[in-house]
Amino acid sequence: EVQLLESGGGLVQPGGSLRLSCAASGFTFSSSAMNWVRQAPGKGLEWVSGIHYSGGTTYYADSVKGRFTISRDNSKNTLYLQMNSLRAEDTAIYYCAKDSRAYTYGLLDHWGHGTLVTVSS
Amino acid sequence: EIVLTQSPGTLSLSPGERATFSCRASQSFSSGSLAWYQQKPGQAPRLLIYGASSRATGIPDRFSGSGSGTDFTLTISRLEPEDFAVYYCQHYDTSPFTFGPGTKVDIK
Repeated sequence: EVQLLESGGGLVQPGGSLRLSCAASGFTFSSSAMNWVRQAPGKGLEWVSGIHYSGGTTYYADSVKGRFTISRDNSKNTLYLQMNSLRAEDTAIYYCAKDSRAYTYGLLDHWGHGTLVTVSS
Repeated sequence: EIVLTQSPGTLSLSPGERATFSCRASQSFSSGSLAWYQQKPGQAPRLLIYGASSRATGIPDRFSGSGSGTDFTLTISRLEPEDFAVYYCQHYDTSPFTFGPGTKVDIK
């Protein structure tokens, strides 16, 4: 059974940084692209970032480009999202989502339960 | 960037009724790279339909998808109590992989 467990969320001040982690199990992590998707309170879904199976290629939404960095450690079956220069509008539940292919394809076939990030002073 | 719009915003129906949702894209994508997700309160989204019309693993056959180009439709043939939720369409043609704003199905 595919399991994705996010951690690292919390309260951070505007301009601050946070690193999210997603521990994966139940599938061959090193053969799957991975993504982050977020959902602001009471709002819809926003794709944030994706990374190829090898970590060699990454993609970002314009809203986070230059501030967020996606990465992975295939030896630890873990996906990361380093978030810098955080803004109030980054407040959201952040979901880790498994891609259906090795290369970032965008079809998200399994999701974690999410971790809440709150940016506030 | 492909922008997706969904209608209606809210659908009020009774169990056993048929539900039909629309998703329209700002530009055509020939690959049919359109997915539908279901999200219940307090839960993560779940993949229902991919490739515009293929059901994901374990999805009941009362869920069906259709469409191509810029116009897509999700149909639930007979609503079950567990189907009352929010439904999002998403394209995965090219990055960024945008979502529609969602259609909420609530109990009439």
